[in-house]
Amino acid sequence: KQEVTQIPAALSVPEGENLVLNCSFTDSAIYNLQWFRQDPGKGLTSLLLIQSSQREQTSGRLNASLDKSSGRSTLYIAASQPGDSATYLCAVDLTNAGKSTFGDGTTLTVKP
Amino acid sequence: IAGITQAPTSQILAAGRRMTLRCTQDMRHNAMYWYRQDLGLGLRLIHYSNTAGTTGKGEVPDGYSVSRANTDDFPLTLASAVPSQTSVYFCASSDGSGVYGYTFGSGTRLTVV
Repeated sequence: KQEVTQIPAALSVPEGENLVLNCSFTDSAIYNLQWFRQDPGKGLTSLLLIQSSQREQTSGRLNASLDKSSGRSTLYIAASQPGDSATYLCAVDLTNAGKSTFGDGTTLTVKP
Repeated sequence: IAGITQAPTSQILAAGRRMTLRCTQDMRHNAMYWYRQDLGLGLRLIHYSNTAGTTGKGEVPDGYSVSRANTDDFPLTLASAVPSQTSVYFCASSDGSGVYGYTFGSGTRLTVV
């Protein structure tokens, strides 16, 4: 059974700092990996999706990388802003059958 | 705006009552899903549907049922609610290609008392 771990559970940084969020998974035969953002009391907003054949994806200040051999993905946030404060979750899809496994998320606080 | 609409936004329900959570999408996605999110347990898949007319069980299907009569709608029914079903419920969809991933609704916060 696929297990997805996100460490740390919470992270607090000063505004302007570059930071990395981690996502580890146990089964490397993945189909894709998706990063989401969730604001308190809200739904999940998709940030980036990396296909199995890709190494990274970029969107604005966000860059997600994928290393299947080590079972890891990282989400890099450049020049963090208070508006980046949210919980970030990764989801790993093994078979494109829609049964992704989600990590518990990392709650990020960016202090002004 | 294309997306997923869930209703109601929140609900307090007496134990033993029947409740249907509604989910409608306007993106013509083939696949739809219901998740529940609980503190400390993360997101867990309840039921899914890969295409209209078909459904499947996820990780925690007991006490829940779904139907998929058409592409756009995917209601989740609690036949006889119990307090352990207190949770935030999210509906999601995908086009099934694996290229664009999931789109999530805003969620329904359900409290069973």
